Amino acid sequence: DIQMTQSPSSLSASVGDRVTITCRASQSINRNLNWYQQKPGKAPKLLIYTASNLESGVPSRISGSGSGTDFTLTISSLQPEDFATYYCQQSYTTPLTFGGGTKVEIK
Amino acid sequence: EVQLVESGGGLVKPGGSLRLSCAASGFTFSNEWMNWVRQAPGKGLEWVGRIRSKTDGGTTEYAAPVKGRFTISRDDSENTLALEMNSLKTEDTAVYYCLTDLKNGDGSDFDLWGRGTLVTVSS
Repeated sequence: DIQMTQSPSSLSASVGDRVTITCRASQSINRNLNWYQQKPGKAPKLLIYTASNLESGVPSRISGSGSGTDFTLTISSLQPEDFATYYCQQSYTTPLTFGGGTKVEIK
Repeated sequence: EVQLVESGGGLVKPGGSLRLSCAASGFTFSNEWMNWVRQAPGKGLEWVGRIRSKTDGGTTEYAAPVKGRFTISRDDSENTLALEMNSLKTEDTAVYYCLTDLKNGDGSDFDLWGRGTLVTVSS
C-alpha cells in the first residue's frame, strides 16, 4: 500500500499568514494527488485535484503543487473560513490512501 | 439537486451486522463508480472500498481491514448504493461516507460526498 505522510500534523497561524502543508508518498504517484478540507461535523470537500487543479468554487488563494512523491498545499493569505483540517489523498492506485491530516488552528 | 444521502447507521454489538444505504440524486448514478470512506471518531479518513459501474463490470474492491466482512452493492434502478457489514468489530466504529468522482465517472477525485452516517460497535 502507498503510505501518505503529511506534515505538520497541526499548526497555528493568524489571519493573513501564508500557510504551507506538505504531503509525501511512499512511492511515486505521478500527479495523482488530491487535497481536501474538512470542518468539524462536515464531510470533506475537494479543494485541489491532480496535484494542482483548483476545484470549481475554491478560492484562488489556495494552490497545490508537486509531482512524484512530494506535494504541497499553499494558502497564500489565511482567512477565517480556512481554519479546518486538511487531508491529502493519492488516487494513483487502490487501496486509495489518505494522509493523517493537518489541523490549521487560530493563533 | 446533486446529492448523496446515507442512512442505516446505529449501535450494534461486536460480531453483529448492519446494512448502510446511500441514496443518489441529481446525476446519472449508473455511470458512476461509487466508494465508501470511513472516519473513526477524532481520526483521519480511511477508504473502505468501491464498486465499478455495470458497464465497467460492476466489480468491487475492498481495503484489507474489511475484506471478507463487508460487501458493497448497487441498485441502479433505485439509484442506491449499499454497504453490508458483517462480523463487526469495535474498530469499525466510524462515520461512513459514500462518495464519487462526478467529473470522471471512474475516477478517484472525490467531488461529491454524502453527510455520513455513524456506526457504533459496542457491547
